[in-house]
Amino acid sequence: EDQVTQSPEALRLQEGESSSLNCSYTVSGLRGLFWYRQDPGKGPEFLFTLYSAGEEKEKERLKATLTKKESFLHITAPKPEDSATYLCAVLMEYGNKLVFGAGTILRVKS
Amino acid sequence: DAGVIQSPRHEVTEMGQEVTLRCKPISGHNSLFWYRQTMMRGLELLIYFNNNVPIDDSGMPEDRFSAKMPNASFSTLKIQPSEPRDSAVYFCASSFPPGNEGEKLFFGSGTQLSVL
Repeated sequence: EDQVTQSPEALRLQEGESSSLNCSYTVSGLRGLFWYRQDPGKGPEFLFTLYSAGEEKEKERLKATLTKKESFLHITAPKPEDSATYLCAVLMEYGNKLVFGAGTILRVKS
Repeated sequence: DAGVIQSPRHEVTEMGQEVTLRCKPISGHNSLFWYRQTMMRGLELLIYFNNNVPIDDSGMPEDRFSAKMPNASFSTLKIQPSEPRDSAVYFCASSFPPGNEGEKLFFGSGTQLSVL
């Protein structure tokens, strides 16, 4: 069965304390891996797409990396405004279907 | 661009009533997706359309749920009759055709549904 697992479920950081979120997947065929950010009361907002192992993408304090079995979202020197739920999703090999993980709730305290 | 527009933002109804959720995708997008989000199950894909045609409805929970896309600028998700376990946030999302950032989904703000 295709599965996307995110860890940890929740993460509390002090402002400036760098850390990483994990997304592991077991799918029959991967066409791409996506990271989204979701703020309370809003829909998910696109951050990154990664297509092949070894690929990296960066945006401000966030960097996403991909291996054959997992992806990491590295947060460097986070700020309180980075607090949100971070979702990863896998685009299946066939069709146009995104399967989401349960998300990691990130809280950054000043 | 106004983004994906969903209505209503909140819906409170009683068990057994019919509920209709509405979505206007971003102009030019040819794929539309309905997702449901709950604490227990996270974001689940219910159904998606390409060029107004339903492609995969395997996530639709049961026959009480139905979705239509009569044209490129409008879609509905209907629940009849509604049950308390249908309470969730329902999101609509749209995307460009494949090859033109086609896999990048743009989500609406969702409809918070409460069935009493």
